[in-house]
Amino acid sequence: AQKVTQAQTEISVVEKEDVTLDCVYETRDTTYYLFWYKQPPSGELVFLIRRNSFDEQNEISGRYSWNFQKSTSSFNFTITASQVVDSAVYFCALSEEDMRFGAGTRLTVKP
Amino acid sequence: GAGVSQSPRYKVTKRGQDVALRCDPISGHVSLYWYRQALGQGPEFLTYFNYEAQQDKSGLPNDRFSAERPEGSISTLTIQRTEQRDSAMYRCASSPSTDVGSGANVLTFGAGSRLTVL
Repeated sequence: AQKVTQAQTEISVVEKEDVTLDCVYETRDTTYYLFWYKQPPSGELVFLIRRNSFDEQNEISGRYSWNFQKSTSSFNFTITASQVVDSAVYFCALSEEDMRFGAGTRLTVKP
Repeated sequence: GAGVSQSPRYKVTKRGQDVALRCDPISGHVSLYWYRQALGQGPEFLTYFNYEAQQDKSGLPNDRFSAERPEGSISTLTIQRTEQRDSAMYRCASSPSTDVGSGANVLTFGAGSRLTVL
């Protein structure tokens, strides 16, 4: 079965610092999809990005960037120049036949 | 509907009672997932459906939990003889395709049903 590990339980940074959230996954499939979701204090789950296993191109969207490396089975998420509004729990997820989430990383950005 | 709708939003019940949680997915979405999220934890997979067929129920904790989606739209998650350890947020999500992740097919989550078992 697939597995997603987010080793960092909590991270605290000061505003404007860069921060990287780690995600390591395990799968036996060659075709799969990786995701990041954000859960702000209000509780909803907000989709951020999806990447398929055949596309190792890194992606940048504003202050967010994602680094997908199949060789190390990692899909890390970096926020540059962090802001207080980035404070949330971030979940990495893996989809083969079904979709499984990691335990999440709680990011606190202090002013 | 415009989004995934779950009801009730909050449910408080006494231990031993049965509860039914309802999920109304986005219109036309064929895949429907149920997750449970305890405080401070990630969403824990319970089960999912493609159309009316339950594809994988390996995540259901025990036989007190069951789910159905008889007409391939609305789904109900039922917990019988509730226990305090069942207290959690129960989240439903849907996707327009059975191939979650390909194309534009990402899971859209509902606001959840918070269950408290006293």
